[in-house]
Amino acid sequence: QVQLVQSGAEVKKPGSSVKVSCQASGGAFTSYGFNWVRQAPGQGLEWMGGKVPIFEKSNYAQHFQGRVTITTDQSTRTTYMEMTSLRSEDTAVYFCARSGPALIGHFDLWGRGTLVIVSS
Amino acid sequence: SYVLTQPPSVSVAPGQTARITCGGNNIGDKSVHWYQQMPGQAPVLVVYDDTDRPSETPERFSGSSSGNTATLTISGVEAGDEADYYCQVWDTTSDHVFGPGTKVTVL
Repeated sequence: QVQLVQSGAEVKKPGSSVKVSCQASGGAFTSYGFNWVRQAPGQGLEWMGGKVPIFEKSNYAQHFQGRVTITTDQSTRTTYMEMTSLRSEDTAVYFCARSGPALIGHFDLWGRGTLVIVSS
Repeated sequence: SYVLTQPPSVSVAPGQTARITCGGNNIGDKSVHWYQQMPGQAPVLVVYDDTDRPSETPERFSGSSSGNTATLTISGVEAGDEADYYCQVWDTTSDHVFGPGTKVTVL
């Protein structure tokens, strides 16, 4: 069964960085796009950006441009999301979600989420 | 930027029909996708491309879209359908946009 396995919870200080991973087990890796969606406590879903492993460029939501970097490692079938200059408002659950290779359309497979807490 | 609207909550008795709307400018021209999210869990795709269902989605779930409104319909609601439901579209200027979510309560 294809799964997206995410790294564990993180607690970070304001101003620091976090890097969250998402490993695809099973299925094709390069045929899909891998996206990051976050959900603040009690709030809705917010798309952050995505990347197709065979392409060099990543797409980012304007709100996260310059502060988020999404990378992929084909050898380990892993997608990473790194966020810098963390602030308390970044406290959220971060989900990776699989899309088609054009990074448009729906998200058919989701990881279980990684809780990131930003607190001094 | 493209904005989606959803009612904050919908209440329905078991066995009845729940209709969750998603409003957006000419949303009928876009592909609308719906997700179910149980408390503390990841979202799960239940309807995609307006009307299609993943194989795991029960037939009780159906979608439609026209004009400025898309609708997720849950027929014969069960207690296990109690969850938050989000609509989502992709827009050329806004990329992926999610609605604010609707909490479905089974009375």
